[in-house]
Amino acid sequence: DTGVSQNPRHKITKRGQNVTFRCDPISEHNRLYWYRQTLGQGPEFLTYFQNEAQLEKSRLLSDRFSAERPKGSFSTLEIQRTEQGDSAMYLCASSPGQYGAHEQFFGPGTRLTVL
Amino acid sequence: EDKVVQSPLSLVVHEGDTVTLNCSYEVTNFRSLLWYKQEKKAPTFLFMLTSSGIEKKSGRLSSILDKKELFSILNITATQTGDSAIYLCAAGGTSYGKLTFGQGTILTVHP
Repeated sequence: DTGVSQNPRHKITKRGQNVTFRCDPISEHNRLYWYRQTLGQGPEFLTYFQNEAQLEKSRLLSDRFSAERPKGSFSTLEIQRTEQGDSAMYLCASSPGQYGAHEQFFGPGTRLTVL
Repeated sequence: EDKVVQSPLSLVVHEGDTVTLNCSYEVTNFRSLLWYKQEKKAPTFLFMLTSSGIEKKSGRLSSILDKKELFSILNITATQTGDSAIYLCAAGGTSYGKLTFGQGTILTVHP
């Protein structure tokens, strides 16, 4: 399978715990994005990587959130001290190219439930 | 702040009907308008439009962009039950393609 993959697919955690999600983009794609989607809403942008560099973070991304993309391949998104409001689907997308607009291809998402 | 608004929010039709979904946007440094289909999983890419007035077509689906009036439409002809999904519109406004999504239109096609 050459698409975007995400693990785990589902995560249930208790409030206050830390969680980490992983995204493996399509191998030749330089750009990687994280989005969050809650029920009844479209995805909201969280952060963007060009290769290993994190170039933008949304103000939605509080200090409890951190993302990395070491070596410009897979990416991790960590949420520390989870809160019930963090419950959502976390989507990763990747896109080719250095400049200009390109279609983004989404992974299956990680559904987080914070109890 | 960048904004994308879709209408209607939901639509119920019967198989064979034709539907038109609307998307308006206000995005700084607009570059592209994308349509995605989302079933009970991640969004799947349908179209990307960057030029006004040029229709993109894929089977029974087609889409067009009006950059002067800042909107796009997605048409689906001869709808089938398999077209039932959420249709998301997104606008890209920076060189690296960060997308701002609308709320989505929930399409339900009855047999």
